Amino acid sequence: LAKTTQPISMDSYEGQEVNITCSHNNIATNDYITWYQQFPSQGPRFIIQGYKTKVTNEVASLFIPADRKSSTLSLPRVSLSDTAVYYCLVGDAAGYSTLTFGKGTMLLVSP
Amino acid sequence: IAGITQAPTSQILAAGRRMTLRCTQDMRHNAMYWYRQDLGLGLRLIHYSNTAGTTGKGEVPDGYSVSRANTDDFPLTLASAVPSQTSVYFCASSRGDSGANVLTFGAGSRLTVL
Repeated sequence: LAKTTQPISMDSYEGQEVNITCSHNNIATNDYITWYQQFPSQGPRFIIQGYKTKVTNEVASLFIPADRKSSTLSLPRVSLSDTAVYYCLVGDAAGYSTLTFGKGTMLLVSP
Repeated sequence: IAGITQAPTSQILAAGRRMTLRCTQDMRHNAMYWYRQDLGLGLRLIHYSNTAGTTGKGEVPDGYSVSRANTDDFPLTLASAVPSQTSVYFCASSRGDSGANVLTFGAGSRLTVL
């Protein structure tokens, strides 16, 4: 069971780059790393997913070192609307019971 | 719009009563999940289903039951609600493909047990 550890909270200002790191020391070979964003009173929504190295999409980048024991979600030039809770999830489709979320990181973006 | 529909949106329930939270998806996803979210505890998996006809226990299954009679529906039942089951409940689904399993969540059902 790949447990994850993230900072409880982070603060930033508009326009800054924010990096949130997740530790997953016992990640399995078949596990992918997925990040979700959750706004108040809404369900989490998918941001980005990766297996190794670097992945980039229109909203974020995901950096995964060679040992895959951690990952870093990078949000470029955050805005007030990026204030949310961010969850790191490690698991694969073959082990549905391992899709366990951690407590997430509350990101507060200030003007 | 394709996605997950949860009902009810919110409910206040007396302790000891039976309650079923409904979840329907129209994406033909194989896998479905129920999570509960409590302040300071994040999202915890209650039950899951790999495919229609099969279910499994998650991290906090006690006091809850599920069924998966078909692909689209995955109801969560509290046979005799207790105040500790006051929470926000999220249903989710995924294709269930090997390796890259991305979850789609519903909007949640807020349940208060008095």
